[in-house]
Amino acid sequence: AQKVTQAQTEISVVEKEDVTLDCVYETRDTTYYLFWYKQPPSGELVFLIRRNSFDEQNEISGRYSWNFQKSTSSFNFTITASQVVDSAVYFCALSEAGTGANNLFFGTGTRLTVIP
Amino acid sequence: NAGVTQTPKFQVLKTGQSMTLQCAQDMNHEYMSWYRQDPGMGLRLIHYSVGAGITDQGEVPNGYNVSRSTTEDFPLRLLSAAPSQTSVYFCASSMTGTQNAEAFFGQGTRLTVV
Repeated sequence: AQKVTQAQTEISVVEKEDVTLDCVYETRDTTYYLFWYKQPPSGELVFLIRRNSFDEQNEISGRYSWNFQKSTSSFNFTITASQVVDSAVYFCALSEAGTGANNLFFGTGTRLTVIP
Repeated sequence: NAGVTQTPKFQVLKTGQSMTLQCAQDMNHEYMSWYRQDPGMGLRLIHYSVGAGITDQGEVPNGYNVSRSTTEDFPLRLLSAAPSQTSVYFCASSMTGTQNAEAFFGQGTRLTVV
């Protein structure tokens, strides 16, 4: 069965520090997709990135970067030079191609607090 | 750009009451779904639909019904509300054909059952 584990429940960092949010997943599908979503204090869910299982290239987008490693079933997210606006709950999610639907399986989230 | 619209934003129900959470999207997405978010448990899939007239159960379907008569709308019905259904509910939609495309979420409905 599929599973997404975000072992870090809460993280606090001081502004301008770098922070890495961990995500470990389990799936039997050979084709799957991984996502990160951000949920700021206002409550909406904001899409950050989608990565498919065939593409292990790391990605950088501004201060955000993602490290996908199939060998360790991990898809970690790093924020460089954190800012107060990064304070949010971050969710890692998995979608399997085998179901034929875009169902998402979420981790329990990591609450990031950036202290000014 | 409306995207995914959920109504109401807040609702208080008494145990045993029924209600419908509304969800509408204007992006012509075939796939729609409902999730509930509970503290410490992330989001869990309740029901989903891959097109008009087609629905299926997710991880936590008990106590909820859905229907999909149009592409745009995907209402979630609570037939007899229970305190265990106190939660924040999110509706989402995404394209199909583009495999496992990103989901667009509504703003959420905070439901309290007393």
